[in-house]
Amino acid sequence: GNSVTQMEGPVTLSEEAFLTINCTYTATGYPSLFWYVQYPGEGLQLLLKATKADDKGSNKGFEATYRKETTSFHLEKGSVQVSDSAVYFCALSPPGSNDYKLSFGAGTTVTVRA
Amino acid sequence: DADVTQTPRNRITKTGKRIMLECSQTKGHDRMYWYRQDPGLGLRLIYYSFDVKDINKGEISDGYSVSRQAQAKFSLSLESAIPNQTALYFCATSDATGGPNQPQHFGDGTRLSIL
Repeated sequence: GNSVTQMEGPVTLSEEAFLTINCTYTATGYPSLFWYVQYPGEGLQLLLKATKADDKGSNKGFEATYRKETTSFHLEKGSVQVSDSAVYFCALSPPGSNDYKLSFGAGTTVTVRA
Repeated sequence: DADVTQTPRNRITKTGKRIMLECSQTKGHDRMYWYRQDPGLGLRLIYYSFDVKDINKGEISDGYSVSRQAQAKFSLSLESAIPNQTALYFCATSDATGGPNQPQHFGDGTRLSIL
């Protein structure tokens, strides 16, 4: 089946530190891959996505590259801010899907200290 | 996402009660979803709907039912609530016309506590 595994948290960083959140997936073929972010008290919102191998998604200083050889989609940001404190979810949409269901990872809580 | 509105935002109730969570959207999307979020488990799909006449079970539909009253409204019911249904519930929508790469748009969630 389709599944996503992401690194466990929580992760606590100082402002301007480098952030990496690991995400690997299991799927048949080449799924579409997403990172969603959930700020405190809010719903999830799309952070970035990649739809084919070697694509790089980017937004708000975050980047993730679709690596088919390692079935990974790790999220990175070079210099985090306090406002990046949130829960981050990796997700996939199976290839050829007609129902557009997403499979989510467990989420990684990130806290950035000033 | 203010275009996807969930009511109530918080609810505390007792075991055995019937509960309805409501979701309405102004995005004009055909597809709507209900998820529950539990710590360490991420989001799990309860039900999803392609249109008013098309309802599908997700991975954890037992103990839940849904109703798609209109394109813009999708409600989730717990017929007889039990404590392990205590969770954060999210409604989401997506645009079918763009294919599977279209993002889902989430409401702000309903925090449900069952005593």
